[in-house]
This record gives sequence, C-alpha cells and structure tokens, in this order.
Amino acid sequence: DAGITQSPRHKVTETGTPVTLRCHQTENHRYMYWYRQDPGHGLRLIHYSYGVKDTDKGEVSDGYSVSRSKTEDFLLTLESATSSQTSVYFCATNDRNKSYNEQFFGPGTRLTVL
Amino acid sequence: KNEVEQSPQNLTAQEGEFITINCSYSVGISALHWLQQHPGGGIVSLFMLSSGKKKHGRLIATINIQEKHSSLHITASHPRDSAVYICAARIQGAQKLVFGQGTRLTINP
Repeated sequence: DAGITQSPRHKVTETGTPVTLRCHQTENHRYMYWYRQDPGHGLRLIHYSYGVKDTDKGEVSDGYSVSRSKTEDFLLTLESATSSQTSVYFCATNDRNKSYNEQFFGPGTRLTVL
Repeated sequence: KNEVEQSPQNLTAQEGEFITINCSYSVGISALHWLQQHPGGGIVSLFMLSSGKKKHGRLIATINIQEKHSSLHITASHPRDSAVYICAARIQGAQKLVFGQGTRLTINP
C-alpha cells in the first residue's frame, strides 16, 4: 500500500461544468498516472507525470488536463465535463528506485456526468 | 489489435479447480504485471515479473519472454478468488503500462 488517496471518491456533475480530481501520495514516488476504466475498454492512460511540473499525454487525453506542483499531488481537471467522461478514474504511482518499481493504485473516483 | 490480449475474458469454475489465465503481448517489455480487482473496485498488484516464475501462496505467475506470453495460475481455487484479473505490460524504455482488458473469474462453492 503506497498510501494513495483520491478525492472525491464519488461525484455527480452536470455537462459543461469543470471538475477537478485529486490524487495524493505519501511515498514520494516519482511517477504518477491517471487512468480511466470503462466496460469493454479496461484501464486506459489519460496523463502521467514523471516529476514536479513534468507531465505528458496518454492515449485518451482529449478533454483532460493535469498539474503537478508538488511531488505528492497530481490533479486531473475536466475543463468542461461531457457525458462521455462518465467513468471510474484511478490514480497510480511507481518509482523505479523503490518497491521494485511495482505500481500502486488509489481507490478510484466514480464520476457521473449528467 | 490490442498490444496486450488476455484470455479468457470470463471464466467460471468450481471451488478447488486449477485456474489458468493467459496474457499475450506484442510489444517489447521490461516487466509484466498481474493485478487483481475485486468487486467494489480496488486494484492490487499481485506480481511483477520480467523472467521465469513467481509464487505467492496459491498464486503462480510465469512468463516466456521469447513467446511473449505470461500465465497466471491459481491452485485450489476458492470463492474469495472471484475477481477481475488484469495483465499489464511495462513498455521497454518507458514507465507506462499497457493493460489487457481483464479476465472476470467467478469461483462457485
């Protein structure tokens, strides 16, 4: 357990509103990731970070932005939420110099966009 | 075609049976992860391997690098093993994972 928390755990919002999800880790891991999980698609990478202020896009990044101003926090923002962004969002961390580079996952955030 | 393919997608078995879940990948990897996700959502790492075999309790994971294939075995399966099992490949030279679609395992008492 890498001490990863996500907030909020559940959110219902309306189309067009901005939404920010927070991932917080206590293990000082260098790498952090945001995934979404949808039936029939498995886990898909949205954005990832390889250090403070260093981020890059994943395979499904359209409509999402991220920020990492501190090692422990990685924020995912939906600028204008759409119904297609209804999903379960997982944060994950790893560090090649720690814990044998195993990847640890947060508990997930269930987002519903009406 | 997905870079990581799992089979079967769904598997139902009786308690006590030997279970095998397969994972094939088409990319160069530095490691292969097996993850478990129980109903209710949490994802837990079971194994990370780059060669050979690893064992933890009743779970065994193997990998054949030449054939680009990995298997997860469960011996003496139990209803508490019911979960979705996910294979994920760590791309060579990167830290990102590419995931299979998961295998939903149901063990009936």
